[in-house]
Amino acid sequence: AQRVTQPEKLLSVFKGAPVELKCNYSYSGSPELFWYVQYSRQRLQLLLRHISRESIKGFTADLNKGETSFHLKKPFAQEEDSAMYYCASMGAQKLVFGQGTRLTINP
Amino acid sequence: SQTIHQWPATLVQPVGSPLSLECTVEGTSNPNLYWYRQAAGRGLQLLFYSVGIGQISSEVPQNLSASRPQDRQFILSSKKLLLSDSGFYLCAWSVHLTLEAFFGQGTRLTVV
Repeated sequence: AQRVTQPEKLLSVFKGAPVELKCNYSYSGSPELFWYVQYSRQRLQLLLRHISRESIKGFTADLNKGETSFHLKKPFAQEEDSAMYYCASMGAQKLVFGQGTRLTINP
Repeated sequence: SQTIHQWPATLVQPVGSPLSLECTVEGTSNPNLYWYRQAAGRGLQLLFYSVGIGQISSEVPQNLSASRPQDRQFILSSKKLLLSDSGFYLCAWSVHLTLEAFFGQGTRLTVV
């Protein structure tokens, strides 16, 4: 079964500290992987996708097929990064999300 | 440009009443369409998805059903609402080429 797991419901770090949001996936094939973000009072939106290998707002995510992980990282957190983050996988047109991690950046 | 409309934004319905939430997409053709329920602590639960007109895949057995009568219209329905159907429902569509998903504003459903 296609599944995405985010083990941390809440994560709190200080401004300027490194951030890592964990994501593990399970799928029999090779899914496409994404991170979505929801800022306060805004719609859920795409942050980055594995196939683009991009860095958005200082965030990067590396796919580790051996560990079936797609953790999201940022070396120096900023207060505006506070939001709800969802990891997602797309396999055979089915888009599945994890439980989400609420990231809070403390000043 | 592509847009997605979802309505109503809020809805209060009595137990046992029917439900119809509508989602339409503009500016694209043959999108993949999705219905999710968003709950605190449980994230985004996929309820239904559709890759074409009349093609519905159900992910969670429940009191709800979905239909896609037109290419860019996706409807979430129930014949008789239960208290447990209360929640925040999100519609989304995705682009075949980039796979990016775009979300509607959501509907807050309260069953009383």
